[in-house]
Amino acid sequence: EDQVTQSPEALRLQEGESSSLNCSYTVSGLRGLFWYRQDPGKGPEFLFTLYSAGEEKEKERLKATLTKKESFLHITAPKPEDSATYLCAALAFSGGYQKVTFGIGTKLQVIP
Amino acid sequence: DVKVTQSSRYLVKRTGEKVFLECVQDMDHENMFWYRQDPGLGLRLIYFSYDVKMKEKGDIPEGYSVSREKKERFSLILESASTNQTSMYLCASTGVAGDETQYFGPGTRLLVL
Repeated sequence: EDQVTQSPEALRLQEGESSSLNCSYTVSGLRGLFWYRQDPGKGPEFLFTLYSAGEEKEKERLKATLTKKESFLHITAPKPEDSATYLCAALAFSGGYQKVTFGIGTKLQVIP
Repeated sequence: DVKVTQSSRYLVKRTGEKVFLECVQDMDHENMFWYRQDPGLGLRLIYFSYDVKMKEKGDIPEGYSVSREKKERFSLILESASTNQTSMYLCASTGVAGDETQYFGPGTRLLVL
């Protein structure tokens, strides 16, 4: 069974304190790895798609990387507005259909 | 930009009521999905559709049905709402091969009393 595990479940950072969120996956035939940001009471907002090991993508203070077993979301010098839950999801194809398996998320709090 | 909209942000219904949740996307996407999200369980797939009038069961279809009469619109139906269907419901859509990113709507928070 496909699985996506995110760690830590919650992370509290001081403003400016860089860190990384981890997403490890066990998926047959990975076709892509997604990162989303979700604010309380809202739908997930797309951040990145990574398709192959070694790929990196950046957006402002966020950088996502992918290996054959895990993905990292690096947050450099975070600000309070980066506080949110970050979701990771793995895309595979099963029975001719796309199947996306989500992790439970890492809740990030950035303190001024 | 992809835009996915959902008919309601908040809904309160009584046990046994029939509930309709609507989702509309404006990017001519082929594929649409309904998820529910619960604390500690993450997002779970209820139903999905790859074409008009086509539907497939996801991981937790029991107690739900769907309708896709037009390409841009995908409806989730709770035939007889129960308290264990209190949840956040999220609709998503994707394009064809080459762009499998799922774009989500704002969500509908449903409370069944």
